[in-house]
Amino acid sequence: DVKVTQSSRYLVKRTGEKVFLECVQDMDHENMFWYRQDPGLGLRLIYFSYDVKMKEKGDIPEGYSVSREKKERFSLILESASTNQTSMYLCASSVLRADYEQYFGPGTRLTVT
Amino acid sequence: GIQVEQSPPDLILQEGANSTLRCNFSDSVNNLQWFHQNPWGQLINLFYIPSGTKQNGRLSATTVATERYSLLYISSSQTTDSGVYFCAVDPQGGSEKLVFGKGTKLTVNP
Repeated sequence: DVKVTQSSRYLVKRTGEKVFLECVQDMDHENMFWYRQDPGLGLRLIYFSYDVKMKEKGDIPEGYSVSREKKERFSLILESASTNQTSMYLCASSVLRADYEQYFGPGTRLTVT
Repeated sequence: GIQVEQSPPDLILQEGANSTLRCNFSDSVNNLQWFHQNPWGQLINLFYIPSGTKQNGRLSATTVATERYSLLYISSSQTTDSGVYFCAVDPQGGSEKLVFGKGTKLTVNP
């Protein structure tokens, strides 16, 4: 079974803090994704990566950066957390081919106070 | 970009009832997945179904790609089926990124 894990289920941070969200997958997938989910807005793609050290902006990259130094690990970084970044963050991974399935981690509920 | 519309937005059932959830999409797709988001927030893969019909226990799905819709059937619903069901598509010629619908929130009462 594909396993995607995220470093925390719940996280509380203060405004202005630098926040790291970690995601690890164990299936040697090339693609990895970070989404945020907010009520009424659904899932929105923040960033994705199709290879080590490669990244592309998604629909809402502002205020975020990412890092992929190893194939299995994809980090989302909030350089200076703000209250409007309070959200559910979901990581996903998939293989690099047309007939792929995307698999999700359990999510991290981040609260910025 | 591609539009993905799910209906109904909310559905309340009694345990044992059957239901049909619909996903309409505005363009041809390479990939279509159905997910169930459980009360803890995790998205569980239900079906990868860009075309055709699949069944898994009490759940089945059909995608009619030429008419740009997909249906998810839940039979003999159980309280554990409660949660939000999402349809997500990757447009043909797309970039391996899924576009999600807004979801259908299902509540199954005992």
